[in-house]
Amino acid sequence: DAKTTQPNSMESNEEEPVHLPCNHSTISGTDYIHWYRQLPSQGPEYVIHGLTSNVNNRMASLAIAEDRKSSTLILHRATLRDAAVYYCILRDYSWGKLQFGAGTQVVVTP
Amino acid sequence: DAGVTQSPTHLIKTRGQQVTLRCSPKSGHDTVSWYQQALGQGPQFIFQYYEEEERQRGNFPDRFSGHQFPNYSSELNVNALLLGDSALYLCASSLQNGYTFGSGTRLTVV
Repeated sequence: DAKTTQPNSMESNEEEPVHLPCNHSTISGTDYIHWYRQLPSQGPEYVIHGLTSNVNNRMASLAIAEDRKSSTLILHRATLRDAAVYYCILRDYSWGKLQFGAGTQVVVTP
Repeated sequence: DAGVTQSPTHLIKTRGQQVTLRCSPKSGHDTVSWYQQALGQGPQFIFQYYEEEERQRGNFPDRFSGHQFPNYSSELNVNALLLGDSALYLCASSLQNGYTFGSGTRLTVV
């Protein structure tokens, strides 16, 4: 399975943007890039996913490098409720398992 | 619209015992996956059920077994419990792309 590499933690001030990097140099052509987040005492929550083009939804934006070896999750205006562990995951087909790494702990400071 | 429901929320068992955890998927979802999350780590894939059959399995021993019912609900069974089985057990349901997770069952083996 293709692996991802993320920083252990990142800090941000409230109402500022947060850019979460993810490296996936061994990504294959059929791998989708998924992002999930896990708030304290909850199960993971779907954030966004993409294949080649940049994607936007109400929660975040996903910027995918042209060679697809890296991507960045962008939270446009961080709030205290965005404090969570964010996981970058590759999936090789639509119903495939999610292979979680350690993720990035995001800390948001008022 | 109810999301994924798991029961019980907490459970304490003794080494050697057997346990059954239950999951009701989100309405309209036909695929159920189970994950184990040890403290401070990302979730690890146990197995996935679709059309009442195990479709994918992670690196877990045969002590871990499951079942999916015609109404798409699912059970996770763990036999001969070990102290190392103490973890948060997460159920996730899906239809095509995005997974919806439950809040999990916290299992403590003493």
